[in-house]
Amino acid sequence: NAGVTQTPKFQVLKTGQSMTLQCAQDMNHNSMYWYRQDPGMGLRLIYYSASEGTTDKGEVPNGYNVSRLNKREFSLRLESAAPSQTSVYFCASTPGPRDGTQYFGPGTRLLVL
Amino acid sequence: GESVGLHLPTLSVQEGDNSIINCAYSNSASDYFIWYKQESGKGPQFIIDIRSNMDKRQGQRVTVLLNKTVKHLSLQIAATQPGDSAVYFCADAYYGGSQGNLIFGKGTKLSVKP
Repeated sequence: NAGVTQTPKFQVLKTGQSMTLQCAQDMNHNSMYWYRQDPGMGLRLIYYSASEGTTDKGEVPNGYNVSRLNKREFSLRLESAAPSQTSVYFCASTPGPRDGTQYFGPGTRLLVL
Repeated sequence: GESVGLHLPTLSVQEGDNSIINCAYSNSASDYFIWYKQESGKGPQFIIDIRSNMDKRQGQRVTVLLNKTVKHLSLQIAATQPGDSAVYFCADAYYGGSQGNLIFGKGTKLSVKP
């Protein structure tokens, strides 16, 4: 039981490049989330998926898109990376949108030059 | 708007002492709070939670106190150990909206001196 996994662990992009961050959970959770964490800041919600087939914007969705591929997987895409998107990205999951605490992955460190 | 704040960005304690990390919230309708621990290079990890129908909850070496009157909660760590060194976040899990989302504070960095 790996919990929440994320790939890649680290990525360097040039401005304007695109990439997709992958997240998967094996806990049969319904809800999944993407956060970004900047130095000295708490986590800010980018997008979430309350259940398979649904996605909604969080606090800072601009510049990102998401896909809930199936119950296990929730990906985050940067279509045209900008230096302001340099951050650490965390994926999380919960049994349901109002159930319990969030289980976090190890994070993806993204540097946009 | 909704905000969750912490009183101190850093806290340094001696090994074996008790640690107290404070957090304030602004939404009087908030009914569920969670404390997370984040070690360097890792994702946040659940420590303990508390619902608004309680004013105290205890776990293993940790206690969370909730004062709804002043919208304040605290995390107490007993007999702090070097392994407790991390950033601690309080999160407001207000479920009054259409979906339950967490609002995180900025975090307090706890350093434990040997």
